Amino acid sequence: NAGVTQTPKFQVLKTGQSMTLQCAQDMNHEYMSWYRQDPGMGLRLIHYSVGAGITDQGEVPNGYNVSRSTTEDFPLRLLSAAPSQTSVYFCASSFLMGLRIVEQYFGPGTRLTVT
Amino acid sequence: DAKTTQPTSMDCAEGRAANLPCNHSTISGNEYVYWYRQIHSQGPQYIIHGLKNNETNEMASLIITEDRKSSTLILPHATLRDTAVYYCIVRVISGGGADGLTFGKGTHLIIQP
Repeated sequence: NAGVTQTPKFQVLKTGQSMTLQCAQDMNHEYMSWYRQDPGMGLRLIHYSVGAGITDQGEVPNGYNVSRSTTEDFPLRLLSAAPSQTSVYFCASSFLMGLRIVEQYFGPGTRLTVT
Repeated sequence: DAKTTQPTSMDCAEGRAANLPCNHSTISGNEYVYWYRQIHSQGPQYIIHGLKNNETNEMASLIITEDRKSSTLILPHATLRDTAVYYCIVRVISGGGADGLTFGKGTHLIIQP
């Protein structure tokens, strides 16, 4: 049971480039989410999904797209990278009890630098 | 979601109980209290959550006051590996969707040898 995996661990992009951060979980969790964490700050929700084919915006969705074609995978796409998107990105997953997120499992993070 | 207030940092001696306070004076009746921690550079780790009764698991105990306006996370025998940022989060369980958790800045707990 690998839990939540994220690739790559580190990435450097130039302004304007696009890329996809990968996230996968093998726990059959309905709920998956993406957060970003800037230095010295807490985590901020970017996008989330409550099941395959269903996604919704979080607190800071601008500049990012997501899709959920399978239960296991929840990729995050940066459309046109900007220096303000330099951050650490965490993916998380959880079972849902009704609408309640019970216990989120987080991946190890992707450290992204945009120059 | 209700706002939470936590001390910025705390120290605790190794082997002693670490008591981390959280104030959530505007909490409403259907909001749960969650605790997570983040060890340097790693993804956050779930610790415990509760509604109004005290809760205990293998990691910690959660004590919620009777009026639910504050809570305390207790690590009974702190070790150096418990040095981390601890986040207290309150979260509505009903509404239009699952949404996500709002992480503030948390409390940086430093366990001293």
